[in-house]
This record gives sequence, structure tokens and C-alpha cells, in this order.
Amino acid sequence: KAGVTQTPRYLIKTRGQQVTLSCSPISGHRSVSWYQQTPGQGLQFLFEYFSETQRNKGNFPGRFSGRQFSNSRSEMNVSTLELGDSALYLCASSTGTVAGANVLTFGAGSRLTVL
Amino acid sequence: QKEVEQDPGPLSVPEGAIVSLNCTYSNSAFQYFMWYRQYSRKGPELLMYTYSSGNKEDGRFTAQVDKSSKYISLFIRDSQPSDSATYLCAMSGGSNYKLTFGKGTLLTVNP
Repeated sequence: KAGVTQTPRYLIKTRGQQVTLSCSPISGHRSVSWYQQTPGQGLQFLFEYFSETQRNKGNFPGRFSGRQFSNSRSEMNVSTLELGDSALYLCASSTGTVAGANVLTFGAGSRLTVL
Repeated sequence: QKEVEQDPGPLSVPEGAIVSLNCTYSNSAFQYFMWYRQYSRKGPELLMYTYSSGNKEDGRFTAQVDKSSKYISLFIRDSQPSDSATYLCAMSGGSNYKLTFGKGTLLTVNP
């Protein structure tokens, strides 16, 4: 069974640019979650999508957005990049059918560096 | 007060030692407790999953949950150099689908 696939794995951008990250979940998983991981803050929840609808959202500014397609693949976008957006962005998938018991399977992450 | 507190370490132990990793939390709604392991340059992988209070054992790993104290632990017996990684506690509960993570503890097991 293929795991969660994230692309690209590494990318470098400059301040003010925008970036789009892609995530393909495990086959059959309808929920996709996104997390930002930094050394100072650890893993912070960005948002979660289920059947193309955003079901949960974390405390990030509106520059961070996402979407999910009918095949459950998801993308997240960060506009007007800031230096502080440098982080590992992790995508995770799950069946998403039992509230409170959402066991996540993570991808390897997309490492974003903002210069 | 953060919802989940975890000592970031780093923790360095000799091969064969018993390792104890801990997290405390403040949200009484948490009922599902997980431990993830993250190797360098990889995503986190699920190690242990428990519901409510009690113990769960899987090989060299034992997870304990004490909901009355809002305290969870992961014990690693006979630690191996391959156990060297960052260990993240995570928890969830209530009506939402997100996990709340601790910051992770960096463990090094020295041969």
C-alpha cells in the first residue's frame, strides 16, 4: 500500500513569493491534515479537509490556505512568504470518520526555506 | 499554559538502558493518546496508540496513560541505537479531528 506522498520535498523561495505544496493521501483515506513543524514551535495544526470540505482550521493567518480535490489529493498554498514561514510542512491522511480518534499517517514533508 | 507539555531533552542514554519519555496535558477532553517517532529528515510514524487510562505494551515499548494526573509516558526497554529519534506525544478528543502534539524529545542511544 503506497504511503502519503508529498511534493516537492525541498524548495527555496524568497520573501513575498508564494508556494504551493501537494499531498497525495493513502488510497481510501478521505481526510487530509496539514501541519507546520519548526524547531521552536514543534508541530502546529494548519487545517484538515474531508471530502473536499475544510473541517478544522488552526490559528494561522489567511496567507495559509488549502484545498482538497475529489480524489482526496490536497494542496496547500502560502502567499506573500515571510522568513518565519521557513519550516517542514507535513501532510497526513486518515479515514477521518471517527471524531477524536483520528490516527494520522504522515508523509515525509516538504522542507520550505524562505530567503 | 500550553495544552501539551513535553521536555525537549535532548536525552542521551547507553545502549540497553530503559528510557522514560513523558508528556503532561491540560485538556480534559483528550481521550486518545499516541506516540510518534520521527527520524531525521522523515515524517513522524505512529508508534503506540492508546485510549483512555491504562497501559499498552508492544515489544520493547510500553505506553502508560494516567488521566487523573493528565500524564502519559512511553517506556523503551533494552534501548538500541536504532531507537535514536525524536519522540512526539500526541492526543485528541472531543468532536474535532486534529491531533495536538508535544514539541518532541530528541533521544540518542549510544552504542
